Amino acid sequence: QPVLTQSSSASASLGSSVKLTCTLSSGHSSYIIAWHQQQPGKAPRYLMKVDGSGSYNKGSGVPDRFSGSTSGADRYLTISNLQSEDEADYYCETWDSNTHVVFGGGTKLTVL
Amino acid sequence: EVQLVESGGGLVQPGGSLRLSCAASGFTFSAYWMGWVRQAPGKGLEWVANIKHDGSEQYYVDSVKGQFTISRDNAKNSLYLQMNRLRAEDTAVYYCTRGPTYYDFWSGEKYFDYWGQGALVTVSS
Repeated sequence: QPVLTQSSSASASLGSSVKLTCTLSSGHSSYIIAWHQQQPGKAPRYLMKVDGSGSYNKGSGVPDRFSGSTSGADRYLTISNLQSEDEADYYCETWDSNTHVVFGGGTKLTVL
Repeated sequence: EVQLVESGGGLVQPGGSLRLSCAASGFTFSAYWMGWVRQAPGKGLEWVANIKHDGSEQYYVDSVKGQFTISRDNAKNSLYLQMNRLRAEDTAVYYCTRGPTYYDFWSGEKYFDYWGQGALVTVSS
């Protein structure tokens, strides 16, 4: 079963860019992952899926400031021109071969 | 517009039962895998269960196997989670989620792309 590893926290200044990382465990570097955003007190929201080739596909209404990319087992979420509303928890998700779902521990993003 | 609306949450005593429902609209419900994800207070997301588009297969996290049952009624566009023998550690917000279509599943495009607003389940005496 894959394991997804995320840093527990990140911070960046208003108007700058930040790159969040989700790392797939050994043997699972080709897996598709999805990124979800959870603003304080709200339900999670799907942002995008990122595959092993670096292709990403965003959900409906997700701003252009959000993009995805890949390097080996790492899946990235880049947020440009950070806004105050981007302060949130960000989770990555993947499904294993037994149709079980795994979430990363989440990254708490602080906008300074 | 895709909508997932949970109901049935509340306060229940340890050992009790509760049934969550999720009313789906805005898409062809019978074509999609569906799931439940929970979040304990102050914690991260934990997958609970998945069900195939036609209801023929169900999958669970080990901690709820034999305790929870996921089901669906495609005629009513509804997803359910029957929770029995509830324990304090089952206290969480439970989210209904939309998974892949049958075709996307076999193409490897497996992830949740819509979430409900959540239903709070509190297990306490």
